[in-house]
Amino acid sequence: GENVEQHPSTLSVQEGDSAVIKCTYSDSASNYFPWYKQELGKRPQLIIDIRSNVGEKKDQRIAVTLNKTAKHFSLHITETQPEDSAVYFCAASITGNQFYFGTGTSLTVIP
Amino acid sequence: NAGVMQNPRHLVRRRGQEARLRCSPMKGHSHVYWYRQLPEEGLKFMVYLQKENIIDESGMPKERFSAEFPKEGPSILRIQQVVRGDSAAYFCASSPTGGSGNTIYFGEGSWLTVV
Repeated sequence: GENVEQHPSTLSVQEGDSAVIKCTYSDSASNYFPWYKQELGKRPQLIIDIRSNVGEKKDQRIAVTLNKTAKHFSLHITETQPEDSAVYFCAASITGNQFYFGTGTSLTVIP
Repeated sequence: NAGVMQNPRHLVRRRGQEARLRCSPMKGHSHVYWYRQLPEEGLKFMVYLQKENIIDESGMPKERFSAEFPKEGPSILRIQQVVRGDSAAYFCASSPTGGSGNTIYFGEGSWLTVV
């Protein structure tokens, strides 16, 4: 089955700096890659996603890039704010019915 | 438009008891998924259901765990004879359709503690 690896496991940045989280996947058939943000004790919330026919997608301060050849995708957060502090999960899906999640990145934005 | 509703939010069970977790999908969603999240880990797929049908249960433990999504009412994840290792957050998700490129939306989760 698919295997998704996520790095780093923890990340601390100063407010206003950028944060980058990277994921790799193993199955070239994966075609949908969502990113979820999870605050402590809360549900994972979809923040951005990208499909395999697109190389980059941006939504305000958040962007995701996909390199199908290298089988990796990244989340970029610019101008970080304290409220960006959370655990971020990447995921990959082939069928759309089963998602394989990374182990998460705990992001701390230091005011 | 209410999101995915799960209850109970927190559940404490003694070893050997049964745990029942309920999930009502978002309005208009007929596809339900259950994921388990262990402390400090990511989400692991358990089962995918549509009304009255289990589509994919490849992530379900072979024993003690079962899931259903009846014609009427919420989806239920049932864990029989719970053990300490079952302590985790169980998240339900739903989507309007299935298939490639499908987006799923999570509920607030049910935190099971086995004592």
